[in-house]
Amino acid sequence: SQQGEEDPQALSIQEGENATMNCSYKTSINNLQWYRQNSGRGLVHLILIRSNEREKHSGRLRVTLDTSKKSSSLLITASRAADTASYFCATGGGLNTGNQFYFGTGTSLTVIP
Amino acid sequence: EAGVAQSPRYKIIEKRQSVAFWCNPISGHATLYWYQQILGQGPKLLIQFQNNGVVDDSQLPKDRFSAERLKGVDSTLKIQPAKLEDSAVYLCASSFGGRTYEQYFGPGTRLTVT
Repeated sequence: SQQGEEDPQALSIQEGENATMNCSYKTSINNLQWYRQNSGRGLVHLILIRSNEREKHSGRLRVTLDTSKKSSSLLITASRAADTASYFCATGGGLNTGNQFYFGTGTSLTVIP
Repeated sequence: EAGVAQSPRYKIIEKRQSVAFWCNPISGHATLYWYQQILGQGPKLLIQFQNNGVVDDSQLPKDRFSAERLKGVDSTLKIQPAKLEDSAVYLCASSFGGRTYEQYFGPGTRLTVT
């Protein structure tokens, strides 16, 4: 089974609101990455957070990582219609995962103009 | 900088036929990945190359799937024979280094097996 699971599966918000999505994983990791996928397109890397980091910012994105709870959250502030997409967390590099790389099942975000 | 190129973009075949996908990574990227993404799911890593060597192919169905990366640049992924459950988008990605680096994805090839 896949390592990461996102929550919620789907999220619908009004433009200007904040969107928060969560990712839980099962075993130790070296890093956790978030990707965005617009409908019918390839994935785009958003942000990478290493296992020794707790929080990271990039523009309107804020990512937190809690390795004790094996969870991460992605916050998008002041959402825009263009943020409508699926968001995936991906975990990799953990020694006891055989160093494999897993994507989660994704959160589908809809931002209503 | 040119992105990851993939071809074809779409392919429709009948079950038991064979099919091949091509990927050209970003210049200078040593690591190349092939993923399978079934509708409504996250991408599943099929195989990872470091230069022209295989790093991880643990989730590749080796009885029907094969991949190669000759000369450490372009790569091809082949399915022979195809099954209905192989219908998916096949994504190629590349990165400068290993899994601690961000991956750059191509547009994917949408395969439909009938």
